[in-house]
Amino acid sequence: QKEVEQNSGPLSVPEGAIASLNCTYSDRGSQSFFWYRQYSGKSPELIMFIYSNGDKEDGRFTAQLNKASQYVSLLIRDSQPSDSATYLCAVAPFGNEKLTFGTGTRLTIIP
Amino acid sequence: DADVTQTPRNRITKTGKRIMLECSQTKGHDRMYWYRQDPGLGLQLIYYSFDVKDINKGEISDGYSVSRQAQAKFSLSLESAIPNQTALYFCATSDRGTGTNTGELFFGEGSRLTVL
Repeated sequence: QKEVEQNSGPLSVPEGAIASLNCTYSDRGSQSFFWYRQYSGKSPELIMFIYSNGDKEDGRFTAQLNKASQYVSLLIRDSQPSDSATYLCAVAPFGNEKLTFGTGTRLTIIP
Repeated sequence: DADVTQTPRNRITKTGKRIMLECSQTKGHDRMYWYRQDPGLGLQLIYYSFDVKDINKGEISDGYSVSRQAQAKFSLSLESAIPNQTALYFCATSDRGTGTNTGELFFGEGSRLTVL
């Protein structure tokens, strides 16, 4: 079993709708959780990080963490075509040491 | 100029050749990483270094070696390249991740390596 699992997609969402991306992890000692966005042919860039159970909102993005269920998700409200990218979930035992990445979910926003 | 610079950006080589990918950074970060990305496999950690005298193996270090020449420079070598090392390679840096620091990874633009 891979340590960090994501549905590879592709996930297609109409413009203006909510896109929901999910990630599960196997290491219960994980403490830091990150969502990176990667456009085709480009390098990943951080869009959200979360350390505590619950929700964290930043503009149109909300990260949700449930450590008991070992589950982290990313919601994108009012999806825009520019949100079309691959979203990588990353998990670390503490701070930024040795992030383990999921395989990524490819998201397509349909105009 | 990019804060994390990788050279070369693209390289085609033959099986058995020695290849070096170089990474330099101007962010002043102590921590540097080399990742490999293959389609459908996400990012896999090859090696990482938390300071100049520190080198650590990642998930997939076999067939690779690294050198941390200075705080700002971290190079990845393939001593004898093989076709299954064809991939996109990313260098990344991060700060110590203490206090309110997110521990965010800052990636270079990637080096696409093809081994024939």
